[in-house]
Amino acid sequence: GAVVSQHPSWVICKSGTSVKIECRSLDFQATTMFWYRQFPKQSLMLMATSNEGSKATYEQGVEKDKFLINHASLTLSTLTVTSAHPEDSSFYICSARNRGGGQPQHFGDGTRLSIL
Amino acid sequence: QKEVEQDPGPLSVPEGAIVSLNCTYSNSAFQYFMWYRQYSRKGPELLMYTYSSGNKEDGRFTAQVDKSSKYISLFIRDSQPSDSATYLCAMSAVWNTGNQFYFGTGTSLTVIP
Repeated sequence: GAVVSQHPSWVICKSGTSVKIECRSLDFQATTMFWYRQFPKQSLMLMATSNEGSKATYEQGVEKDKFLINHASLTLSTLTVTSAHPEDSSFYICSARNRGGGQPQHFGDGTRLSIL
Repeated sequence: QKEVEQDPGPLSVPEGAIVSLNCTYSNSAFQYFMWYRQYSRKGPELLMYTYSSGNKEDGRFTAQVDKSSKYISLFIRDSQPSDSATYLCAMSAVWNTGNQFYFGTGTSLTVIP
């Protein structure tokens, strides 16, 4: 149980391209999902909290126009990196918590984004 | 001061050794404590979670929380090469589904056959 699927696992694209990453909770409903960024050998940096049916809450220093988040259903949140540049290259990970409570966060397997 | 401090290591032990991983924290409101294991290029995988002080055991893993010292530990008995990974501690003050967790930087562990 408590499976979170993230897609794609790896994407390489040219500078200026927009990239969409999907995060799905497969066997539970999640009113809240979290998006993290992780640089090599560093910990998780929370970028934003995605709330189903409402606007995402962004952490300080994260550009909301750069990182668009849509949480359209109780099982799907998407992160779109708009007009990506090489400095956006990183490992992006989502997590979700069961809306029923009683469980901590479960993570997807991450998306490795490489911008050329 | 960071909310959560964790020695990044790296830590290298022989197979069969007992491993001790630790985190300290500053926020006395934290009540929920988690340990995650992260293999290279994968998302973190939940190992254990505990509430308040005390010990919790699951197979070869034991989680220990000392709220008076603001110190948590994860012990791995009879360590195996497959335990080689980065271990992240995480903690939270409340259990609401929308509440974020605070993560340590992770400790890199290598178990040598």
